[in-house]
Amino acid sequence: DSGVTQTPKHLITATGQRVTLRCSPRSGDLSVYWYQQSLDQGLQFLIQYYNGEERAKGNILERFSAQQFPDLHSELNLSSLELGDSALYFCASSGVQGTENNEQFFGPGTRLTVL
Amino acid sequence: GQSLEQPSEVTAVEGAIVQINCTYQTSGFYGLSWYQQHDGGAPTFLSYNALDGLEETGRFSSFLSRSDSYGYLLLQELQMKDSASYFCAVRDGASGTYKYIFGTGTRLKVLA
Repeated sequence: DSGVTQTPKHLITATGQRVTLRCSPRSGDLSVYWYQQSLDQGLQFLIQYYNGEERAKGNILERFSAQQFPDLHSELNLSSLELGDSALYFCASSGVQGTENNEQFFGPGTRLTVL
Repeated sequence: GQSLEQPSEVTAVEGAIVQINCTYQTSGFYGLSWYQQHDGGAPTFLSYNALDGLEETGRFSSFLSRSDSYGYLLLQELQMKDSASYFCAVRDGASGTYKYIFGTGTRLKVLA
């Protein structure tokens, strides 16, 4: 158990809908990262927040947005969903903004299925 | 653009040694990391190299050559539980900011 929690574990929705994925980092971790992993694909970095502020941005679609709240939990909002958005979404956390050894602790993921 | 290349699949027998290579192309470079991911599981951190040379952690070692933009993960005394996907990753520091780039992963199959 990494100490990172994600809810829900599974999410099934229809095209055009909007969903919110939630992540709670490890206790004391200030950085939260979001990744997308499609079937048999690598991890695509979406975005990083550090202590409530956006710190790094990857290939995140304009339909997607994220935020980190004062209690450090984070939410990833996906809107106007398309079939291709079906994937496993991971949240990870680390102690500081880009740790000395780049170690990130990953949550169990949320599996999103868009029908 | 930024990219990481690693073999898609490697097969080895229990007790053997296997090396998983990773070559990268980035605009900036802040170290090479390795993660393990079992089917249906979350990635877990294995190692990190910021400087050239070999880092050893138990049965796993990782090597980096920045001049060659190349690194590898060495797994010794393979066990069945090592069957998993292995990803190399870099923090690319282009343009004064950075983002994390993962390779497409190497699926390791350990045979009895």
